[in-house]
Amino acid sequence: DAGVTQSPTHLIKTRGQQVTLRCSPKSGHDTVSWYQQALGQGPQFIFQYYEEEERQRGNFPDRFSGHQFPNYSSELNVNALLLGDSALYLCASSLGDGTGYQPQHFGDGTRLSIL
Amino acid sequence: AQSVTQLDSQVPVFEEAPVELRCNYSSSVSVYLFWYVQYPNQGLQLLLKYLSGSTLVKGINGFEAEFNKSQTSFHLRKPSVHISDTAEYFCAVSGTGGYNKLIFGAGTRLAVHP
Repeated sequence: DAGVTQSPTHLIKTRGQQVTLRCSPKSGHDTVSWYQQALGQGPQFIFQYYEEEERQRGNFPDRFSGHQFPNYSSELNVNALLLGDSALYLCASSLGDGTGYQPQHFGDGTRLSIL
Repeated sequence: AQSVTQLDSQVPVFEEAPVELRCNYSSSVSVYLFWYVQYPNQGLQLLLKYLSGSTLVKGINGFEAEFNKSQTSFHLRKPSVHISDTAEYFCAVSGTGGYNKLIFGAGTRLAVHP
């Protein structure tokens, strides 16, 4: 039973560039959430996708966008990269029953470094 | 809105000693509570969760936590730690009335020494 998989594991970009991160959810899960974890901090919620729609969003600018595909996999896109975007980006999947009951299962993350 | 405060950024402890990692939360609605563990260069692994019912929750790796509604706390405990428990521990909440967005604390670094 494959868990949540993310790619790539590491990425180095320069300021102003654009980046796409990818996530495949745990088998049987239909909801994908993205989190940003800056060094030494707890994860911060970016947004959540269900049925190919963004249904909840945290306090992140429009430079952060996403997509969910019919197979439930997801992408996180960040435009006009800033030094402050350097972080570990975590993807989490769960069942989308619309409650907080379902725990989220996390991938190992993508480490994004901005030079 | 919800918030989580983890009262200790670092907790050093000797192997086989007991440990408590403290977590307080703030919320205007009922919440579900979670503890996650993060080993170096890895994602987060769910240790345990409180959804309803008994306030004492048992999780994996010998950890347990107690939900105290009056004190809005959810402290994590283990009676005897091992070197392998060295990791970052995160307390998190989500509201019961909507989607399962998680609000995390800043984390507690547990360092177990021989």
